Amino acid sequence: DGGITQSPKYLFRKEGQNVTLSCEQNLNHDAMYWYRQDPGQGLRLIYYSQIVNDFQKGDIAEGYSVSREKKESFPLTVTSAQKNPTAFYLCASNQFWGGNEQFFGPGTRLTVL
Amino acid sequence: AQTVTQSQPEMSVQEAETVTLSCTYDTSESDYYLFWYKQPPSRQMILVIRQEAYKQQNATENRFSVNFQKAAKSFSLKISDSQLGDAAMYFCAYRTSQGGSEKLVFGKGTKLTVNP
Repeated sequence: DGGITQSPKYLFRKEGQNVTLSCEQNLNHDAMYWYRQDPGQGLRLIYYSQIVNDFQKGDIAEGYSVSREKKESFPLTVTSAQKNPTAFYLCASNQFWGGNEQFFGPGTRLTVL
Repeated sequence: AQTVTQSQPEMSVQEAETVTLSCTYDTSESDYYLFWYKQPPSRQMILVIRQEAYKQQNATENRFSVNFQKAAKSFSLKISDSQLGDAAMYFCAYRTSQGGSEKLVFGKGTKLTVNP
């Protein structure tokens, strides 16, 4: 089945540690996105990539980093510079251009202890 | 910058009744797309309905329909014959292509409760 997978589902991190969230898609989509979701805040864009080896900062990129070495993979690293990393993280993808639906993964809940 | 506003943080409806969720947006673009997404307790985001701004006809998907008012920049979602499974967070989203990059801008969401 085609879709987006995110792992792990739950992740715990100690303060000062970097952690990487995985996102893989087999939909052959060009564009991939990372969102952060906090209660009452909706979805906020962290980073996005429209083509391999290229990515752009979203609205809240500080303290995060990404890579796009393969079309199907777009991992997100939450660095120790992110002041308040506890949140729900969603990965999404879509075909580039047009009003194509953005498909979402099941999400990763990150908790900093 | 584009913004999306959902003025109703919470709404409730009786099963089998109709409810309308509000959404307004701000943009200077003339061609764009609007979406409603549903996020049930599982937290999986699901597309409910999509509207193309250049189409005057309102989109419909079974019990879900929209009232798209381009001049007023309004995009409300109507759910008819509400079912218990409709209980979820609903997010309105605007797709912008400004600067050659495509991305979605989301509202803060409306939590819908369906009462039996």
